[in-house]
Amino acid sequence: AQSVTQLGSHVSVSEGALVLLRCNYSSSVPPYLFWYVQYPNQGLQLLLKYTSAATLVKGINGFEAEFKKSETSFHLTKPSAHMSDAAEYFCAVSDQRGSNYKLTFGKGTLLTVNP
Amino acid sequence: GAGVSQSPSNKVTEKGKDVELRCDPISGHTALYWYRQSLGQGLEFLIYFQGNSAPDKSGLPSDRFSAERTGGSVSTLTIQRTQQEDSAVYLCASSLSSGINEQFFGPGTRLTVL
Repeated sequence: AQSVTQLGSHVSVSEGALVLLRCNYSSSVPPYLFWYVQYPNQGLQLLLKYTSAATLVKGINGFEAEFKKSETSFHLTKPSAHMSDAAEYFCAVSDQRGSNYKLTFGKGTLLTVNP
Repeated sequence: GAGVSQSPSNKVTEKGKDVELRCDPISGHTALYWYRQSLGQGLEFLIYFQGNSAPDKSGLPSDRFSAERTGGSVSTLTIQRTQQEDSAVYLCASSLSSGINEQFFGPGTRLTVL
């Protein structure tokens, strides 16, 4: 079974600073990897996904992530944080069972952006 | 177009009661997932429906949990004899088909068992 580890349950940055949210995965097969964002009292929204095409994936709101097979990592970055980026971020790997592409999530990282 | 909708948004119940949670997927989406989000366990897969195929129930935590999907559209998650540890946010997601398509999530139902 796949698993996902997000290092740091809480990350705090200043507005305009680099955002780096870490994600490591374990998988016995080439993985499909995702980053989702959850704003308070809302559902999950897809930021970006890796499905074995380009290793540098660009998503919405200026976020991007790089798949590094040698490090089994899929870290999420944004060059300059904005106040509206404050939310909880989840890394996920698709754990395929037949036609079921269920997602296995990390524990999440709460991002705080300070003015 | 409309996204995934779930009802109720909040449900408070007493221990031992049964509850039903509803999910309306995006029209045309044949794959439907239920997940549970709780403080202790994070986000966990519960059950998966794809078209008219038998559902994958491998994530259901006990036989008190069941789900059905009528007409390939609306789904209902039922929890019988609720326990306090069932308190969580129950999220529904749908996608266009099986395969690695984006799962669109609903806002969730927050269940509190007193």
